Amino acid sequence: QSVLTQPPSASGTPGQRVTISCSGSSSNIGINTVNWYQQLPRTAPRLLIFNNNQRPSGVPDRFSGSKSGTSASLAISGLQSEDEADYYCAAWDDSLNGVLFGGGTKLTVL
Amino acid sequence: EVQLWESGGGLVQPGGSLRLSCVASGFTFSSYGMTWVRQAPGKGLDWVSVISGSGGTTFYADSVRGRFTISRDNSKNTLYLQMNSLRAEDTAVYYCAKARTGSYSWLDLWGQGTLVTVSS
Repeated sequence: QSVLTQPPSASGTPGQRVTISCSGSSSNIGINTVNWYQQLPRTAPRLLIFNNNQRPSGVPDRFSGSKSGTSASLAISGLQSEDEADYYCAAWDDSLNGVLFGGGTKLTVL
Repeated sequence: EVQLWESGGGLVQPGGSLRLSCVASGFTFSSYGMTWVRQAPGKGLDWVSVISGSGGTTFYADSVRGRFTISRDNSKNTLYLQMNSLRAEDTAVYYCAKARTGSYSWLDLWGQGTLVTVSS
């Protein structure tokens, strides 16, 4: 069971804005940065957002991240069919001395 | 080209051992922490272990501590994962990933993965 909690699924129509939440605690998100990963079907994960809200080069600005307290969110605006993927949040946990991943959210573009 | 390439996966019986390798290219390997992350069939990402750039610091998930050992050879740009006492629940695709300095959850480069199947 993941200590970072994400909704198992999310959906939207092309052009819509969707958000995916990631809830943690004071030992992980509360004191460490959050990173987000996108995993397209049958591929390795790729970094989508780092340090809560930074985008690596090559990631469209339709993707944005935020953090408040012990929770974080990933927002995708102008939804496109190629955004259909699994999304994971991750953060270091100071109590466990390890990386925690959220359980993942499967995004469906209707 | 900046890339990571895993190898060493395969079919192993419960209680057996396997060593995974991850060869890095295109960046200064010794400057970065390296991580193993696994994904069981149809499941989410599961962090396994991380090692610092020098190799002097390691951390493990509770589920593998005492059975798995992470190591690296910076002269060969290679990361390893020695897996002993394997269990059926260790069956997964194992990815190596490059960790950015200061944040072991910031993984900016991933390999393609290697499949480990533990079954009799």
